[in-house]
Amino acid sequence: QQPVQSPQAVILREGEDAVINCSSSKALYSVHWYRQKHGEAPVFLMILLKGGEQKGHEKISASFNEKKQQSSLYLTASQLSYSGTYFCGTEARDDYKLSFGAGTTVTVRA
Amino acid sequence: EAQVTQNPRYLITVTGKKLTVTCSQNMNHEYMSWYRQDPGLGLRQIYYSMNVEVTDKGDVPEGYKVSRKEKRNFPLILESPSPNQTSLYFCASSLTGTRAGNEQFFGPGTRLTVL
Repeated sequence: QQPVQSPQAVILREGEDAVINCSSSKALYSVHWYRQKHGEAPVFLMILLKGGEQKGHEKISASFNEKKQQSSLYLTASQLSYSGTYFCGTEARDDYKLSFGAGTTVTVRA
Repeated sequence: EAQVTQNPRYLITVTGKKLTVTCSQNMNHEYMSWYRQDPGLGLRQIYYSMNVEVTDKGDVPEGYKVSRKEKRNFPLILESPSPNQTSLYFCASSLTGTRAGNEQFFGPGTRLTVL
């Protein structure tokens, strides 16, 4: 079952902040975040694992609430390069499938 | 250059004509996976393979087959394509699977149209 992302779309001006939420009905082992620019393949942002370990390599942060099966991605001081569609992917504790949400389209304007 | 390659990149075919989309990675990754992407639905996993010995269904496996005979290749087979399989397909790989916290590297995508 796909996780639910919100909002579906957000428009920002450079320097503004945004939060993208991801929730699942299943007990989660991990949450993955990817960004896809128009006409390109998705690109890895970070993984949040059960137990609090976090991995990532960009100046974008995220949190993972295991009890609520929710994750949030924080875009702080947004830049034009942050524009794109953000997808969260979730792995349930009882299987190895990776289910992605429908995506959140972020538009950053100058 | 480390990469995931897919072929063909674009394909138009007719209902019922068997086709194969190839996927190859040169990073010695154990884990490989196929996704389809449709407007408003995001990415949906079709099949994944933890290694050459283990392949399992994702969320939308109906109408698809896969084969993992060697580590670098993971072809997607549509034995009798139908119009509802018109989609953008991505292959992805990661070092030892997503459970280990490894990122997936995606191929460039294959746009398939079934008439």
